[in-house]
Amino acid sequence: DQQVKQNSPSLSVQEGRISILNCDYTNSMFDYFLWYKKYPAEGPTFLISISSIKDKNEDGRFTVFLNKSAKHLSLHIVPSQPGDSAVYFCAASLIQGAQKLVFGQGTRLTINP
Amino acid sequence: DVKVTQSSRYLVKRTGEKVFLECVQDMDHENMFWYRQDPGLGLRLIYFSYDVKMKEKGDIPEGYSVSREKKERFSLILESASTNQTSMYLCASSLLSGHQPQHFGDGTRLSIL
Repeated sequence: DQQVKQNSPSLSVQEGRISILNCDYTNSMFDYFLWYKKYPAEGPTFLISISSIKDKNEDGRFTVFLNKSAKHLSLHIVPSQPGDSAVYFCAASLIQGAQKLVFGQGTRLTINP
Repeated sequence: DVKVTQSSRYLVKRTGEKVFLECVQDMDHENMFWYRQDPGLGLRLIYFSYDVKMKEKGDIPEGYSVSREKKERFSLILESASTNQTSMYLCASSLLSGHQPQHFGDGTRLSIL
């Protein structure tokens, strides 16, 4: 039972264009969402997060959008840069439960020069 | 900067062996977590701990145990290693209060032959 799903295993984008990574969830009790970025041979690093009381959070080139009615969130990267090539994981947590995170399967983003 | 250190980057063990994976964090975090990462499955939580000597099962605890004798150290134990435990193992830590991002180590790639 996959509560957090990233349906696109891979995405290829031209440098300078917008990258949009998508994530769907099924548990309406999730109240906090995060995006992590992972390079090969390294652990995931935290990128950006959003609380369920908001619908948008922006940090430089990265913006996360949350649509609670659709149980959908997306990460926008503008403009995309070669260093953004990595695997991106979305994750969700409940306010109760020692901040356990439930991760999606990941999307491999490749930025082409 | 938070530093989460996993004792081995690569480990090769034999079926039936007892295997210990060690993780140390230097930021006085209360929460510590063990995940495994497999292609197409994302990160799955094995065990977590929110205090010394406290532990909670995650989503896939079967075949694993943990130990947390000191706040900074969280050990994952494979009681009798099997080939289906070949995977990338990731340790993470976070503060207890509110929604805090988890900080990850670089992972241990474990092969069970």
